[in-house]
Amino acid sequence: EADIYQTPRYLVIGTGKKITLECSQTMGHDKMYWYQQDPGMELHLIHYSYGVNSTEKGDLSSESTVSRIRTEHFPLTLESARPSHTSQYLCASSQSTDNYGYTFGSGTRLTVV
Amino acid sequence: AQRVTQPEKLLSVFKGAPVELKCNYSYSGSPELFWYVQYSRQRLQLLLRHISRESIKGFTADLNKGETSFHLKKPFAQEEDSAMYYCALYRSYNTDKLIFGTGTRLQVFP
Repeated sequence: EADIYQTPRYLVIGTGKKITLECSQTMGHDKMYWYQQDPGMELHLIHYSYGVNSTEKGDLSSESTVSRIRTEHFPLTLESARPSHTSQYLCASSQSTDNYGYTFGSGTRLTVV
Repeated sequence: AQRVTQPEKLLSVFKGAPVELKCNYSYSGSPELFWYVQYSRQRLQLLLRHISRESIKGFTADLNKGETSFHLKKPFAQEEDSAMYYCALYRSYNTDKLIFGTGTRLQVFP
């Protein structure tokens, strides 16, 4: 089934660890996004990609990095996790030719202890 | 600066009552606006978009450029409407992206 998948759903990790949050979509969308959301707050764009080998930083500064080697895959990496990185991370995708509707993944809730 | 404001964090109504979730925006260009909904334990999903002028699950939203508003309305709330609702503005220049409001939690009591 065409969809967007995020793993893991929940992650608790110690300070200083390197982590990668996975995001894959099987809808053939060219654009992909990472949003960060703290409880009760708005979603903030931290990374986006318009296609393979295209990555840009969003409006909210983030110490994370992303890569887009394949159309369907847009992983987010934190080289050294800190408690300030504790948040929910939402991946989304869209198609340029669509009316800008985003499809969101289920999210990864990250806790750094 | 582009901004989306949802003034109510929580809106509680009884089943059958009318519902209006408020959304105001600031944007210098021609706005494209959306409502997203997140039901309990489900992912964020598109509810409706203003360019489609559609009614989804009984909800409608009209863009009022004079008041810079895009309020979400439903004449008779149902318990299954209980969810988190986000208004979003599409910015099409520089970085094209969705700018979200802080969300309003709708609680519909039986």
